This record gives sequence, C-alpha cells and structure tokens, in this order.
Amino acid sequence: GAGVSQSPSNKVTEKGKDVELRCDPISGHTALYWYRQSLGQGLEFLIYFQGNSAPDKSGLPSDRFSAERTGGSVSTLTIQRTQQEDSAVYLCASSFGTSGIEQFFGPGTRLTVL
Amino acid sequence: QKEVEQNSGPLSVPEGAIASLNCTYSDRVSQSFFWYRQYSGKSPELIMSIYSNGDKEDGRFTAQLNKASQYVSLLIRDSQPSDSATYLCAVNRNTGNQFYFGTGTSLTVIP
Repeated sequence: GAGVSQSPSNKVTEKGKDVELRCDPISGHTALYWYRQSLGQGLEFLIYFQGNSAPDKSGLPSDRFSAERTGGSVSTLTIQRTQQEDSAVYLCASSFGTSGIEQFFGPGTRLTVL
Repeated sequence: QKEVEQNSGPLSVPEGAIASLNCTYSDRVSQSFFWYRQYSGKSPELIMSIYSNGDKEDGRFTAQLNKASQYVSLLIRDSQPSDSATYLCAVNRNTGNQFYFGTGTSLTVIP
C-alpha cells in the first residue's frame, strides 16, 4: 500500500486478556517504530526495529509487552494480561533508513481495556 | 528534564496572523529535527524536517534551528483555520534511532 497500515483500528478487550496489534509498514522501509499515545499526552516510544532485529526495546513499559517483526516487513505488538492503564492509541511508524530519517505514521489502533 | 519540551498551549491566533511554535531539547548531540501536525483523533503527519542551523522554508511554513541555544521553532504564516491542530516537535540524535517527541502545542486559528 501507499502508506503505513495498522489493524485493528479499534480494539475493546477485557482486563486480563491478551491483544495483538499489527503494523504493515511502507514497502521498502527498513525501520519500524511503535509508540503509545494516551489521551492528551505526547508520543511514548515503545520499541524500534531495524530489519527483523530490535536493537532498542528500552521503551517497553513492562514484560507484558513484546513485539516481533518477520521478513523485515509486518510487525506485531502483543500485550499480555491487559490492564486498564494500557488503554491508549498505539501508533506505528516506518522510515526508509536509519538515523535522522523522517518517519511516517500509520492511523493507529485505539485500544480500550475495560 | 525532558528530552524535548514544548509549551502545551493552547495558542490562539487570528486568521491571517503568524503562529510561532517553539521547542527546546536537552541533548546537544541531537542532529535531526522534525515538526509533525496532528489533528484530533488522527495520527501525526510530517510537516518539516531540518538538519542545519538557520531557516528552512516550505510554503507558509518556516522551520528555524539554533543548535547553540538548543531550540527549534515553526512559523506558520497567513494562518488558516485548517491549521488548527496539535504540533509535535521531534528530535533524533543520529547515534541511535530513538526519536524523542514533545507533548505538543495546541494551536487554534480563529476565523
């Protein structure tokens, strides 16, 4: 596709359930980023991929969060045993290269944990 | 101290005026700077990138970078109601790949 796509666009889940969020970056983009944005807040960095490897996982808030990327393309962010404080918009971005290259964002997944 | 700081606003300007948005950053080795616009309920979209000291103009938008003072600004000339959005400043060190975002400045352009 022409841009970054994410699915689902909205996800409502019950506390304690696991959720999986998907990001499909722009074709040819080697770098992929996951962010979280809570209501009225800025972007919180979660994890970054270069190809299939994740050299920077420093932003993952707890061990309930994990992410993987296969084939240097699609990435999934998994949240286990969801908590209400996990409710946020999860944004994925991709960029063509590495350092200093502008990122392009997907539409986001709005996660609501009841 | 936050990596990137912005005045959260809200900033209100009349239609046709110049809107001035400011951003400061803490790490002197930062090399790449970006301004994103985010409409309510939408994802951020890139407006400008700037890498060197000075001004960079693109249409009604001008980004200004001063590395010695560690600030970057965005000027919007002839502001339009459609410019009403939250503007996010982002900084990248180039030595790693983490981008640091400010919390954004909310701009309202009054018709």
